[in-house]
Amino acid sequence: DAGVIQSPRHEVTEMGQEVTLRCKPISGHNSLFWYRQTMMRGLELLIYFNNNVPIDDSGMPEDRFSAKMPNASFSTLKIQPSEPRDSAVYFCASSLCGGNQPQHFGDGTRLSIL
Amino acid sequence: SQKIEQNSEALNIQEGKTATLTCNYTNYSPAYLQWYRQDPGRGPVFLLLIRENEKEKRKERLKVTFDTTLKQSLFHITASQPADSATYLCALGGSGGYQKVTFGTGTKLQVIP
Repeated sequence: DAGVIQSPRHEVTEMGQEVTLRCKPISGHNSLFWYRQTMMRGLELLIYFNNNVPIDDSGMPEDRFSAKMPNASFSTLKIQPSEPRDSAVYFCASSLCGGNQPQHFGDGTRLSIL
Repeated sequence: SQKIEQNSEALNIQEGKTATLTCNYTNYSPAYLQWYRQDPGRGPVFLLLIRENEKEKRKERLKVTFDTTLKQSLFHITASQPADSATYLCALGGSGGYQKVTFGTGTKLQVIP
C-alpha cells in the first residue's frame, strides 16, 4: 500500500524565494494535517483539512504561509517569502475521520532557507 | 496553557531489559493518548492508542498505561532490542470538535547490545 507521499524530500533555497511543498495522502483518508518539526519546538500542527476544507489553521505562523487542498489526493503548503527561521522538517499526515484515528505520516521535507 | 512533557534526555538501556518512557501533561483533559515511533529522517509511525476509560493496553512487547488522576502515561517495551532504538512521541487528543492531537517533543531511546 502506498503511504503518504511528500515532495521534495529536501529543499535548499535562498531567503525571499517562494517554497512549495507537496503532499499526496493515503487514498480514502479524509483528514490531512501539515506539521512542522524543529529541535526546539517539536512537532507543531500548522493546519488541518477535513474533506478538503481547512478546519483549523491556527497553527499557521503568519500570512507568509498558505495551504491548499484542491482535491482529496493532493495538498500544498506554500511559504512566500521564505525566511531562515522557516528552516525545519515539514510533515504531512493523513487519517480517517479526524485526529482520534492513527495518523499516517510521510517522510517529510527538510527545508533549509539560506 | 496546555503542556506535554517527555524526558528530553536520552534513555540508554541494556538489551533485554524493559524500557519505560514517561509522558506527563498539565492543563489538559485528553480523551485519548497515542504513542508514535520516529526513526532519523523518517516520519512518526503510529504504535498504540489508549482511551481515557482504559487503564492499560498491550501490543506484542509494548504496553501503555494511562492514569488520568496522575496525568501521566507510561510506555513500556519489554525484552528490548537494539532495533527498538528510536525517538518515541506521545500525542494527546481532546474530545469533541475535530479532536486535535498535540504531540510531545519525544524521548530518544538507545538500546545497547
